[in-house]
Amino acid sequence: EIVLTQSPDFQSVTPKEKVTITCRASQSIGSSLHWYQQKPDQSPKLLIKYASQSISGVPSRFSGSGSGTDFTLTINSLEAEDAAAYYCHQSSSLPLTFGGGTKVEIK
Amino acid sequence: QVQLQESGPGLVKPSQTLSLTCTVSGGSISSGNYYWNWIRQPAGKGLEWIGRIYTSGGTNYNPSLKSRVTISVATSKNQFSLNVSSVTAADTAVYYCARDLGAGAPAYWGQGTLVTVSS
Repeated sequence: EIVLTQSPDFQSVTPKEKVTITCRASQSIGSSLHWYQQKPDQSPKLLIKYASQSISGVPSRFSGSGSGTDFTLTINSLEAEDAAAYYCHQSSSLPLTFGGGTKVEIK
Repeated sequence: QVQLQESGPGLVKPSQTLSLTCTVSGGSISSGNYYWNWIRQPAGKGLEWIGRIYTSGGTNYNPSLKSRVTISVATSKNQFSLNVSSVTAADTAVYYCARDLGAGAPAYWGQGTLVTVSS
């Protein structure tokens, strides 16, 4: 099983700041890494697919990078509505797995 | 746009079988090349993939649950279902159904349904 380790677990950020969340895979997964945003009492929402591919309707301040084992989600100029938990997810091999999540709080 | 909606009992007794259905609208469950997934999330915790069924009917399960899980599809009803047998309190979670983009990330999710295992 591929283990995804996210850091940090929690981040308190001022609006307009830049946020960086990392996800490290226990073995190489190529670019089969995806990012989700989950707000309280909502379903996860796909933000980025295949490490860096944008999703229609997702604000351009969200971007992803990386390949192999190390990946990054960047939120440029954080907005209040971005308060949420963020999860990485790999679809390279079964069982599909998710990272433990990063909670982003707005100061 | 495809939409998914979970349904089923919100309370299940220990040792019994948890049964949920996901109803798909906005598209046929039998068209395209997609995986239809079940994912769960215990309160305050992260996401756990349970398993999936392909458009053709093939299934994959998480080994951690494999012996207790069955996913099936009812194409005439545009639904797919989840059964988890011999449940315990550890199976208490919000259960989501989701469809991927095609051999990739689940992109379309239901709203989720809370299932509590308790006597």
